[in-house]
Amino acid sequence: DTGVSQNPRHKITKRGQNVTFRCDPISEHNRLYWYRQTLGQGPEFLTYFQNEAQLEKSRLLSDRFSAERPKGSFSTLEIQRTEQGDSAMYLCASLRASGSNEQYFGPGTRLTVT
Amino acid sequence: DAKTTQPTSMDCAEGRAANLPCNHSTISGNEYVYWYRQIHSQGPQYIIHGLKNNETNEMASLIITEDRKSSTLILPHATLRDTAVYYCIVRLQTSGSRLTFGEGTQLTVNP
Repeated sequence: DTGVSQNPRHKITKRGQNVTFRCDPISEHNRLYWYRQTLGQGPEFLTYFQNEAQLEKSRLLSDRFSAERPKGSFSTLEIQRTEQGDSAMYLCASLRASGSNEQYFGPGTRLTVT
Repeated sequence: DAKTTQPTSMDCAEGRAANLPCNHSTISGNEYVYWYRQIHSQGPQYIIHGLKNNETNEMASLIITEDRKSSTLILPHATLRDTAVYYCIVRLQTSGSRLTFGEGTQLTVNP
């Protein structure tokens, strides 16, 4: 257990539905990252926050994806109008910007779109 | 970030050293070599990183060649719990930079 938690751990949804995932980082970590991982591939960067500010977004983050970190603590990742191609593991990671550069990953949320 | 090349898979006997190679021939002078691993159904886990000198911690050793174009991660006494995908990542040591993962090496430790 790294101290980063993600909920839910698994989500099955029908195509076209909206889903929201939550990440709770380690409490003193001010940077939070979202990655997506499909089967057999390494994780791909989606976006990251420093405190509540979203500082970078990947081109992978289409208009259907939105991420927030309203109080600089937990973060949510919402996918609207899900497609089968959104099926993947969604990973969250955090680090303390003034500390080491080790990113601590959560266990991930596995999304299956049917 | 510089591109890395790793073998797709490797096997190792339990109790023996596992040596995982990584090529990063386009690495620039201020880029570090990081290693993460991902055990099945878990998030990636940091192992070790280095710039030019060899590094050792409680998990592993990192050997970087003098020209820095390749490196080797060494697990000195592999256990079954070391079975995982190992990722070699080259990146700048700037706080907050993203991790760019390749496909990694699937290490299987056999009893």
